[in-house]
Amino acid sequence: QVQLVQSGAEVKKTGASATVSCKASGDTFSGYYVHWVRQAPGQGLEWMGLINPSGVSTSDAQKFQGRVSMTRDTNTIYMELSDLRSDDTATYYCARGGEGYFDSWGQGTVVSVSS
Amino acid sequence: DIQMTQSPSSLSASVGDRVTITCRASQSISLYLNWYQQRPGKSPKLLIYAASSLQRGVPSRFSGSGSGTYFTLSINSLQPEDFATYYCQQSYNTPLTFGGGTKVEI
Repeated sequence: QVQLVQSGAEVKKTGASATVSCKASGDTFSGYYVHWVRQAPGQGLEWMGLINPSGVSTSDAQKFQGRVSMTRDTNTIYMELSDLRSDDTATYYCARGGEGYFDSWGQGTVVSVSS
Repeated sequence: DIQMTQSPSSLSASVGDRVTITCRASQSISLYLNWYQQRPGKSPKLLIYAASSLQRGVPSRFSGSGSGTYFTLSINSLQPEDFATYYCQQSYNTPLTFGGGTKVEI
């Protein structure tokens, strides 16, 4: 059974960048899509983008276009969100699954943004 | 982008009740609909995929139905651990989008 272990909480200034990592334990990411989903405090879930098994990333959610990048190495996926704004304050989740679903989730990483 | 609308946004129920949550898509998404459960302070968990297929390990009291633009999630005989927020999510195309959530409270 895979466990996805994410990096720790981050506190950032507006305009900075944040990088969150997601490491697979007990299995690998090989053959799977990995998605990033965020949740603002008290709010719902918001999809940010995905990286496919070949390492190609897709993020066509307009809010994140040009600001999010995703990369993968052997067993870790990285998500960088740039030009941070206060409304980027949220819990960020990585999730492994297929092209359109998420069947294993990380524990979440809180990113707090303030001026 | 495909808009997903859930109703109700919250509901109160008792242990043993049957509850039904609805999810509507702004355009037809065939069977490309998934359901997740999120308990307070926890990561979401996949319950149902492809509108009606039960994810491995999920109790059979959960069931999903629907196609096109209208979908439902039903929980038979509500258990204490089922009090949580439920989200639908379309996987028809990107950007993948979620409903706003339904909070099931005691």
